[in-house]
Amino acid sequence: QITLKESGPTLVKPTQTLTLTCTFSGFSLSTSGVGVGWIRQPPGKALEWLALIYWDDDKRYSPSLKSRLTITKDTSKNQVVLTMTNMDPVDTATYYCAHSPIAAHGVDYWGQGTLVTVSS
Amino acid sequence: DIQMTQSPSSVSASVGDRVTITCRASQGISSWLAWYQQKPGKAPKLLIYAASSLQSGVPSRFSGSGSGTDFTLTISSLQPEDFATYYCQQANSFPQTFGGGTKVEIK
Repeated sequence: QITLKESGPTLVKPTQTLTLTCTFSGFSLSTSGVGVGWIRQPPGKALEWLALIYWDDDKRYSPSLKSRLTITKDTSKNQVVLTMTNMDPVDTATYYCAHSPIAAHGVDYWGQGTLVTVSS
Repeated sequence: DIQMTQSPSSVSASVGDRVTITCRASQGISSWLAWYQQKPGKAPKLLIYAASSLQSGVPSRFSGSGSGTDFTLTISSLQPEDFATYYCQQANSFPQTFGGGTKVEIK
């Protein structure tokens, strides 16, 4: 059974760096074809794809946010970490961790999401 | 980036109605399109992948079609649990962009 869970701060101040951790089970990020990504959703708005890391450490980013995002993996801990620098109130959103293997061509399992509010 | 445009943005329908939602890509994406259902306060749920493949456990009243730039999600007979927001996502190239969503509301 595949599960993913996001953890991190619920409140960050403008200009600070956000660090979110996705802890997963039921699969290994060392298995060929496996990917884990991040997607966010501002309150009342649509989903926005952010970043994805594959088993071979191939990393993909949203071009509009690439300069602010870093995605890394720790295979031994079954974790993926997303950092986003220079946070702004417009970055207030629910951030989802997602199992996104090559074969799925999309997301087949989602975490429950974590709401991050950016405010001073 | 490939832009994904969904229509309508909302639809009012009754239980038992047939509902069709469309998604258009700004450039061809072959059949690399997924559909998700999202209920308030919950994570999205995968319904359809590769444009027309039904995800395991999803009721057969949901179906998807299309290729290239134009895609459709059809709910053949709307059930009470189907009132939700539906999103399409292209998985042909990065970033894997989403549509703006279609809210299916009770008439």
